[in-house]
Order: sequence, then C-alpha cells, then structure tokens
Amino acid sequence: ETVMTQSPATVSVSLGGKATLSCRASQSVGINLAWYQQRPGQAPRLLIYGASARATDVPARFSGGGSGTEFTLTISSLQSEDFAVYYCQQYNNWPRGSFGQGTKLQIK
Amino acid sequence: QAQLVQSGPELKKPGASVKISCKASNYTFTKFGISWVRQAPGQGLEWVGWISASQGNPNYAQKVQGRVTMTTDSSTDTAYMELRNLRSDDTAVYYCARDDGQISAYMDVWGKGTAVTVSS
Repeated sequence: ETVMTQSPATVSVSLGGKATLSCRASQSVGINLAWYQQRPGQAPRLLIYGASARATDVPARFSGGGSGTEFTLTISSLQSEDFAVYYCQQYNNWPRGSFGQGTKLQIK
Repeated sequence: QAQLVQSGPELKKPGASVKISCKASNYTFTKFGISWVRQAPGQGLEWVGWISASQGNPNYAQKVQGRVTMTTDSSTDTAYMELRNLRSDDTAVYYCARDDGQISAYMDVWGKGTAVTVSS
C-alpha cells in the first residue's frame, strides 16, 4: 500500500503571503497525484491533478509540482478563502484512492 | 455545471445496513465513474471505493470489502452505496464524487455529503 505523508500538519501564513505544502509518497506514483482543498463544513474541491495541472476555475496562484515520491502545492498571494485543509491523493498504485492526512493552512 | 446530489442523513444501529444515493446531473453519467470517500468526525479523507457508471466493475477498499456494494442505475443517472453490518467506526460523512470512467483516478465533482451515524 502506498502511504501518503503530508507536512507540515499545520502551517501559519499571513494574508498575501506564500505557502508551500509538501506531500511524500512511500513509493513512486509518477505524476498521478491530486490536491484537494476542504473548507470547514464543505466537501473537498479538486485543485490540481496530474501533479501540476490546475482544475477548472482554480486560480493561477495555486501551483503544483513534483513527481515520483515528492510533491508540493504552492499557494501565492494568500487570500482569506484559501485558509483551509489541503489533502494530496495518489491514484497510481492500489489502493488508488489513498489520501494524505491533510495540512491545515491557517492565518498567521 | 455538473452536479451530484446525495440523499439525506441516516441514523443506524450497529449491525444494520445503510444505502446512500447520489444523483448526477448536467453531464453524461455513463462517461464517468463514481468514487465514494468518507470522513469520520474531525478526521481526514478515506477512499471507500469506485465504480464505473458504464461497466460496473467496482473496486473497494480493503477495510470495507465484504460489507459494501456499489451500484449505478443509468436510467436515473444515480449511484448507490450500501454498507452492511455497520459498526461505530463507520460513523462519517460519506461523499460521492465524479471520477474517471475506466479506473479510479482523481475526483473533480463532489456531492455535499451524507452523514451516517451508527449508534445504539
């Protein structure tokens, strides 16, 4: 089973600042990696797929990178609506839907 | 825009079964699959399984294998997930999400979730 590990568990950043979230896979997942945003009380929202492709209507301040076992999600010019929990998910290896434990992005 | 509408909250006793529905609209249902993801209170996301809306062929997470059945009805563009022999640790919000039609991949449209509470 591919274990997804996200770091840090919580990160504090100021409005207008930049956040970099990390996701590590226990074995290679190629670029079959997605990122989701979940605001309190809401369903998750797809941000990034294929490690770096932005989903429909996702602002350009969200960018994804990496391949193999190391991935990053960078959010620049942070706005109030960006403060949420972010999950990575691999879909390369069985079980294909394994998620990381999440990173909470909070206002500093 | 594509939308998934889920059935309402459920309160069940341990050992009972629950069947959740997920009705799709504004896209061609049979071109995609449906994944089910759950989230226990205060916890992260857990993939439960996936089904192709055109071919069936469900894949289930090992944790629920043997207790879960996922189906689709293309006449009503609706997906269903039945979970049997419920336990307290099945208490969660269950989400359906649109996925790839051939194999479980990433999920681009999500329902609002169905809360399932298992309690005696």
